Amino acid sequence: EDKVVQSPLSLVVHEGDTVTLNCSYEVTNFRSLLWYKQEKKAPTFLFMLTSSGIEKKSGRLSSILDKKELFSILNITATQTGDSAVYLCAVEVPNFGNEKLTFGTGTRLTIIP
Amino acid sequence: NAGVTQTPKFQVLKTGQSMTLQCAQDMNHNSMYWYRQDPGMGLRLIYYSASEGTTDKGEVPNGYNVSRLNKREFSLRLESAAPSQTSVYFCASSEGRDRWLTGYTFGSGTRLTVV
Repeated sequence: EDKVVQSPLSLVVHEGDTVTLNCSYEVTNFRSLLWYKQEKKAPTFLFMLTSSGIEKKSGRLSSILDKKELFSILNITATQTGDSAVYLCAVEVPNFGNEKLTFGTGTRLTIIP
Repeated sequence: NAGVTQTPKFQVLKTGQSMTLQCAQDMNHNSMYWYRQDPGMGLRLIYYSASEGTTDKGEVPNGYNVSRLNKREFSLRLESAAPSQTSVYFCASSEGRDRWLTGYTFGSGTRLTVV
C-alpha cells in the first residue's frame, strides 16, 4: 500500500522564523512529488519535484527531493502570518496513463505575529 | 479563467437521501478526480477518470458512483447517504503536459453533512 507521511503534524513559530517541513514516502512506483498549500478552501499548487537534488524555489519557499532516501523537505524562510496554512505533500504514482496522487495528512503551520 | 468549479458549496442531507456533486473544468484536461478530506486523514481518492468515457475506483469508492459526462464534467453521486460520508469533497483535474507547471488543479470543495 502506498504511504506518505508528513512531519511534524503541527508547528507554531514566530513571524520571521525559518521552518522545515518533512515528507517521506513508500510507494510501489514513483513519478513525482508535489507540495500544496491549503488555507480555507482548495489546495493550491506550490511545487512538483521529479529529480533528486534539484532545488525548486519560489520566493521564500524552496523544496528538494531525495529519491534514494525517499523524502522531501519544504523550507519557508522569513515566515509571515500569510504562511499560516496546512501544507500537503503528495506523491504521483504512474498507472498506465491513469496517474493519481496519494496524500499525506498534512502539516498545520501557524505563524504568530 | 474559472479552473475547476464545484457545486454545491454546502449541503446537508438526511441519512438515506441521495445527491449528486457536480464538477466542471475549463482547462481541457483529460484526467479528473474526486477526493474526500476528513480531519487527520488527508485527502483520499474516491474515483478518477483518465479520459472521457473511463472511470476507475480509488482508495475509498464504497457508497459512491461517478459519471464522466463529457471531457469537462465529472459528477459524484451518493445513492444512499450515510453519516460516515460527512466530509469535504474536492474535485481535481490534471493534464500530463501541464503538471510540472500547475500540478493538479483543485476546486474549492463541497462541505457535506449527513445527519
